[in-house]
Amino acid sequence: AQTVTQSQPEMSVQEAETVTLSCTYDTSESDYYLFWYKQPPSRQMILVIRQEAYKQQNATENRFSVNFQKAAKSFSLKISDSQLGDAAMYFCAYRIYTGNQFYFGTGTSLTVIP
Amino acid sequence: DVKVTQSSRYLVKRTGEKVFLECVQDMDHENMFWYRQDPGLGLRLIYFSYDVKMKEKGDIPEGYSVSREKKERFSLILESASTNQTSMYLCASSSTRGARTEAFFGQGTRLTVV
Repeated sequence: AQTVTQSQPEMSVQEAETVTLSCTYDTSESDYYLFWYKQPPSRQMILVIRQEAYKQQNATENRFSVNFQKAAKSFSLKISDSQLGDAAMYFCAYRIYTGNQFYFGTGTSLTVIP
Repeated sequence: DVKVTQSSRYLVKRTGEKVFLECVQDMDHENMFWYRQDPGLGLRLIYFSYDVKMKEKGDIPEGYSVSREKKERFSLILESASTNQTSMYLCASSSTRGARTEAFFGQGTRLTVV
């Protein structure tokens, strides 16, 4: 079974500081994609960052980066220089290369403290 | 940019009513999904479709049905709405081709059944 676990229901960070959100997943597949999505209070879910499992290099998108540990099945998101606009629910997700379905974690609610 | 549009942002329906939630995507995606989002439970898959007239049950299909008569449109039907179906409903689409491997989401429909 494909499962995605986010063990931190809530996190907070001071503005301009760095925060790391955790995600682990369970799969027997070797080829897959991993994603972090952001859902601000307005509710539109948007993609933050994507990682292909075959790539050893960790993905980065501006202030967002991941720490992908394939053997440990871990995929954490680091947000640097946190901004008030980063406050949102963050979801980790997984999809196998050959599959159609996405598997989501239960989300982490991030609060940014001014 | 990919656009996924859900027909309503807020709906209030009475118990026992038949409810239709509509979703349209404009990027010729093969896959379309309906999720239910509840606090602490993350996104749970209700149904997905990988082609016109094709559908597969997700994790929580009971009380729901779907229709996909055209590639761009995927409808979720609550045959007889009940109060335990009060929730946020998210539609998403994705492609099985090309480099854009992620799911694209609509803005969500907040359904209240009274």
